Amino acid sequence: NAGVTQTPKFRILKIGQSMTLQCTQDMNHNYMYWYRQDPGMGLKLIYYSVGAGITDKGEVPNGYNVSRSTTEDFPLRLELAAPSQTSVYFCASSYSGGPTEAFFGQGTRLTVV
Amino acid sequence: AQSVAQPEDQVNVAEGNPLTVKCTYSVSGNPYLFWYVQYPNRGLQFLLKYITGDNLVKGSYGFEAEFNKSQTSFHLKKPSALVSDSALYFCAVRDKGDSSYKLIFGSGTRLLVRP
Repeated sequence: NAGVTQTPKFRILKIGQSMTLQCTQDMNHNYMYWYRQDPGMGLKLIYYSVGAGITDKGEVPNGYNVSRSTTEDFPLRLELAAPSQTSVYFCASSYSGGPTEAFFGQGTRLTVV
Repeated sequence: AQSVAQPEDQVNVAEGNPLTVKCTYSVSGNPYLFWYVQYPNRGLQFLLKYITGDNLVKGSYGFEAEFNKSQTSFHLKKPSALVSDSALYFCAVRDKGDSSYKLIFGSGTRLLVRP
């Protein structure tokens, strides 16, 4: 059981470039999330999805877009990368809301130069 | 607004001694509370959670946490620390009334257990 898989693990982007961070889960979870982790700041929610075809903004959505065409996949798109988007990005999923814990991918370390 | 506070950036403890990592929260309603651990270059791993009932919950690797409603706290504890417990620990809260079921995280506490 692979759980939550993120690709790539590392990436360096130049300012203004675009890229997609991939996230897939094989646990048939309805809820999926994208967080970014900045040093000393904990994790901030970028976007989330409560099921295929449904997405919504989190705390820090500017500069990002998502889609959820299937239950398994939840890609995060960065358009016009900026140095402020240098961070570690985590995808997470949970079976339902409420008391169920979330499962996290191993993260993507992104540097924008 | 919902928030989680972890007042200590780092906690230092000697191996074999008890450890406590502090967490307080602020939510409008009743929360679900979680602790996660992050090892270097890894994702977050679930340790334990509080849903309801007994205020002392037990989790993975010998960790436990005590829920205190009056103090809005959920401190992580372990009776005897191991060097391998050294990692970054995050407290998180989920508001039962929030339909997104998102987790709100604290800023993290680095635990350093010295031999």
